[in-house]
Amino acid sequence: GDSVTQTEGLVTVTEGLPVMLNCTYQTAYSDVAFFWYVQYLNEAPKLLLRSSTDNKRTEHQGFHATLHKSSSSFHLQKSSVQLSDSALYYCALSGASSGSWQLIFGSGTQLTVMP
Amino acid sequence: EAAVTQSPRSKVAVTGGKVTLSCHQTNNHDYMYWYRQDTGHGLRLIHYSYVADSTEKGDIPDGYKASRPSQENFSLILELASLSQTAVYFCASRTNAEQFFGPGTRLTVL
Repeated sequence: GDSVTQTEGLVTVTEGLPVMLNCTYQTAYSDVAFFWYVQYLNEAPKLLLRSSTDNKRTEHQGFHATLHKSSSSFHLQKSSVQLSDSALYYCALSGASSGSWQLIFGSGTQLTVMP
Repeated sequence: EAAVTQSPRSKVAVTGGKVTLSCHQTNNHDYMYWYRQDTGHGLRLIHYSYVADSTEKGDIPDGYKASRPSQENFSLILELASLSQTAVYFCASRTNAEQFFGPGTRLTVL
């Protein structure tokens, strides 16, 4: 079945420095969309980025991600993190394979930005 | 903006008791979902529904039932709550491009 892997459970970065959160996936289908959701403390997950186009950079709120089907990756990056970026980040995919277009989430990466 | 509400926002239940979590959406979305969130496991799908009066099993349905009496309402039912069901539960509804999550229900089973 489809799966999403986020290898880092916790990432700590100093304010103003760059960050990359890793996301790789496995899927047998080509008609798939990829997402990054962000969840702030005691809040609901919210969509940050969405992409289904290979090798196209997608940006929102200073974050960007590029889907690379050749390496099955959809890493999230930011060039200069802020204290307010501290949150839990989920990578997810959604595709026709599930029949329900459900989101299949990775285990999440907790990003902590230090002053 | 899409609106999904959940009730209660938190609940303490006793082992073996029945628990019902409710979800309401005002977006006219067909698809609705129930997820549970556990540290280290992310969000996992319990049940979903794409039409009223019909529900489907997700990835971890054991110990849970779901009910979709109308397009707007989707409930998650724990007939015999167990300690292992302590978690945060999120409801969501979906457009073609995005899922919108409710604020979550923190369930503690003692």
